[in-house]
Amino acid sequence: IAGITQAPTSQILAAGRRMTLRCTQDMRHNAMYWYRQDLGLGLRLIHYSNTAGTTGKGEVPDGYSVSRANTDDFPLTLASAVPSQTSVYFCASSEDAGASYGYTFGSGTRLTVV
Amino acid sequence: GQNIDQPTEMTATEGAIVQINCTYQTSGFNGLFWYQQHAGEAPTFLSYNVLDGLEEKGRFSSFLSRSKGYSYLLLKELQMKDSASYLCAVRDPNDYKLSFGAGTTVTVRA
Repeated sequence: IAGITQAPTSQILAAGRRMTLRCTQDMRHNAMYWYRQDLGLGLRLIHYSNTAGTTGKGEVPDGYSVSRANTDDFPLTLASAVPSQTSVYFCASSEDAGASYGYTFGSGTRLTVV
Repeated sequence: GQNIDQPTEMTATEGAIVQINCTYQTSGFNGLFWYQQHAGEAPTFLSYNVLDGLEEKGRFSSFLSRSKGYSYLLLKELQMKDSASYLCAVRDPNDYKLSFGAGTTVTVRA
């Protein structure tokens, strides 16, 4: 089934540890995005990539890094996790940055930093 | 910057109509999107407006007024399965990124 796969589904992580959230899509979409969703704040963009080999910072990039070595994969890394990074993380993609249908979202990763 | 406002919660009765308003003040505009998100699930695309007017899709309609920075999502003949959060998002014309409002939680009562 075509779509976006995120892993893990959920994770409890000790503060200070490094963690990579995985995101893979099989739709050959050019653009990919990472959002975090917190109660009352909605979805906030962390990093994005309009095409393989390029990345950009979103609204809340601090403490996170991304890479886009190929079209399909867009991993998000927390170098040294802090409790404020407890959130639900959604990866999304679109055929291109200006697509009229917006984004397709993955099912999310629920991360708890303790 | 982007400022997108929508009500936090709304409650309506099965079979009724509910209108969810969204106002935005953004540095640019390249389209407005509505997404539906059931609890614990990913957002799913509902509608896209880039020109003024009403777009109708079955029981759901979305309206846009660019001069007023205003949109609404109209849900007709409400069903229990429509209980969800509805997210308004505006796309930036420079980098095409979506900025989201905090979402409106709609509860449909029997």
